Amino acid sequence: AQSVTQLDSHVSVSEGTPVLLRCNYSSSYSPSLFWYVQHPNKGLQLLLKYTSAATLVKGINGFEAEFKKSETSFHLTKPSAHMSDAAEYFCVVSPEANFGNEKLTFGTGTRLTIIP
Amino acid sequence: GAGVSQTPSNKVTEKGKYVELRCDPISGHTALYWYRQSLGQGPEFLIYFQGTGAADDSGLPNDRFFAVRPEGSVSTLKIQRTERGDSAVYLCASSFGDFRNEQFFGPGTRLTVL
Repeated sequence: AQSVTQLDSHVSVSEGTPVLLRCNYSSSYSPSLFWYVQHPNKGLQLLLKYTSAATLVKGINGFEAEFKKSETSFHLTKPSAHMSDAAEYFCVVSPEANFGNEKLTFGTGTRLTIIP
Repeated sequence: GAGVSQTPSNKVTEKGKYVELRCDPISGHTALYWYRQSLGQGPEFLIYFQGTGAADDSGLPNDRFFAVRPEGSVSTLKIQRTERGDSAVYLCASSFGDFRNEQFFGPGTRLTVL
């Protein structure tokens, strides 16, 4: 069984300040982990993915995440928030076993608000 | 290139009616997935196709839900005797189904059952 827990349902930061969105996972296998972003009235877009290579993963739009097996965490960070980052963010887990031929398990989401 | 497309974008129906939701995956993607996203929740897996066959349908909530992919490309999600609790956004995703390991999502179909 696999699951993810997003620790904050809503995060607000000021423009130009750092962003931290927290995620903990549970998986019976060595998992693949993802962060997806969902802007209003738009489809889900992949920000970044971890698939057992480097533990620090860089994604699009300046986001990055670090896989910490000892803490079972995969937190998403960005050094400086931009207004366009306002969206819903989902932490996602998938078993690595079949190289992506697997269903994704989504967290409940974190709504990121950027204060001008 | 074209992404995953879903039609219709919105569907309003009455309780007890039958609906079909269509997904056109990215050309060349062998794997296709259906998810359901209820208000305020993350998407939940419904079913996954590899080619024409359903490789995993463990997420279908009951036998009112059925999906097909007869030619290994376009897929249709079918819901019989709709209930108000079926109201949600139905998302389709496709992938190469291999080590490249990324699912590309369509914009979704918003289903409202009155």
